[in-house]
Amino acid sequence: GAVVSQHPSRVICKSGTSVKIECRSLDFQATTMFWYRQFPKQSLMLMATSNEGSKATYEQGVEKDKFLINHASLTLSTLTVTSAHPEDSSFYICSARGQGHNEQFFGPGTRLTVL
Amino acid sequence: DAKTTQPPSMDCAEGRAANLPCNHSTISGNEYVYWYRQIHSQGPQYIIHGLKNNETNEMASLIITEDRKSSTLILPHATLRDTAVYYCIVRVDSNQAGTALIFGKGTTLSVSS
Repeated sequence: GAVVSQHPSRVICKSGTSVKIECRSLDFQATTMFWYRQFPKQSLMLMATSNEGSKATYEQGVEKDKFLINHASLTLSTLTVTSAHPEDSSFYICSARGQGHNEQFFGPGTRLTVL
Repeated sequence: DAKTTQPPSMDCAEGRAANLPCNHSTISGNEYVYWYRQIHSQGPQYIIHGLKNNETNEMASLIITEDRKSSTLILPHATLRDTAVYYCIVRVDSNQAGTALIFGKGTTLSVSS
């Protein structure tokens, strides 16, 4: 199956700083990428959907000015958590989907801890 | 997309078949049944999907009832590495952008020796 990578796998930062998470599709062109967040013992919650070259669509309750999403190329999307706070500590997972394909391929996730 | 209902947890002995049920009584005619699993602290992994016919691949079999209101994922010979949360998701297949997978609570399968 197709491979999606995320970097970094773990990040610890101080409250008030910004953190950027990268999501790459390694062997296919991802026309659509999705960002999810998962708190301990809970399911994945969709945060936003991004299509290459256009603005992301955010789910209700997700602040677009706090979670900046860029999908500038067909193989890379980034999620920037701005002015991170301890309540933003979570497992962030991206997923990608290629043109004409219905499967979503998931990255391994990024564990964010805000102190 | 239609909602699904799964038992919160199941146990299975290593080497035995694991049968994971899913109810999707409000499924529409153009909605597919997808199964993913998530091993602890990893991203979800695709297992199998189907519309109305039973499907089989190297990982599992998917049995969909004739009225499509429920389905069962079968892991024929469960191993310890199959311990994970299994998600049953119903979604319209579309080549258009969008239509993200929406995850419910899933079933935590524990395989023991």
